[in-house]
Amino acid sequence: EVQLVESGGGLVQPGGSLRLSCAVSGFIFSNYVMHWVRQAPGKGLEYVSAISGDGGSTYYADSVKDRFTVSRDNSKNTLYLQMGSLRAEDMAVYYCVRDRCGGDCYWYFDLWGRGTLVTVSS
Amino acid sequence: DIQMTQSPSSLSASVGDRVTITCQASQDISNYLSWYQQKSGKAPKLLIYDASNLETGVPSRFSGSGSGTDFTFTISSLQPEDIATYYCQQYDDLPPYSFGQGTKLEIK
Repeated sequence: EVQLVESGGGLVQPGGSLRLSCAVSGFIFSNYVMHWVRQAPGKGLEYVSAISGDGGSTYYADSVKDRFTVSRDNSKNTLYLQMGSLRAEDMAVYYCVRDRCGGDCYWYFDLWGRGTLVTVSS
Repeated sequence: DIQMTQSPSSLSASVGDRVTITCQASQDISNYLSWYQQKSGKAPKLLIYDASNLETGVPSRFSGSGSGTDFTFTISSLQPEDIATYYCQQYDDLPPYSFGQGTKLEIK
């Protein structure tokens, strides 16, 4: 069964750091570009970041650039999002998302995890 | 960055109605547009890709059209289980990508 399971969310103070993980199973992880998408409470979807299958290329929304770092460990079938200098506006459910492409290309999103909630508050 | 303008932001319709949502890109994105359905408390689900291709397993009452900057998503006959928020998303060129603001669909 194909699965994406996020973890690592929780309460963090403004200015703090947090690392999210996404454990995947059911497909060849290293073949796929992966993305992070977030959704603030009661708000719409916001694109966060992408990483190529080999981890050599990364992309970020302007709102998180220089504060967040996406990475992956293909030997562990795990995607990560290291978040730093967290702000109130970073509070959201963070979704781990698979790209449909299955190669060195960037398309639409065919699989989503259930998400993990990050709360930024003092 | 490419901006996506989706309308309306909310919509109330009756069972059996034809429902249409529009999405406009700030620049030409060819047909690199997808549509997602998000039910309350759940993760989004892919419905349409490449502007008009129906994802496997998605009912045929859902459809999409358009190219360039103007796109349309249609439910031909609204069903009670279609109550959700719908989002368009562009994937032209390389990330970062962008979503429309969402359309919350309710039953009248």
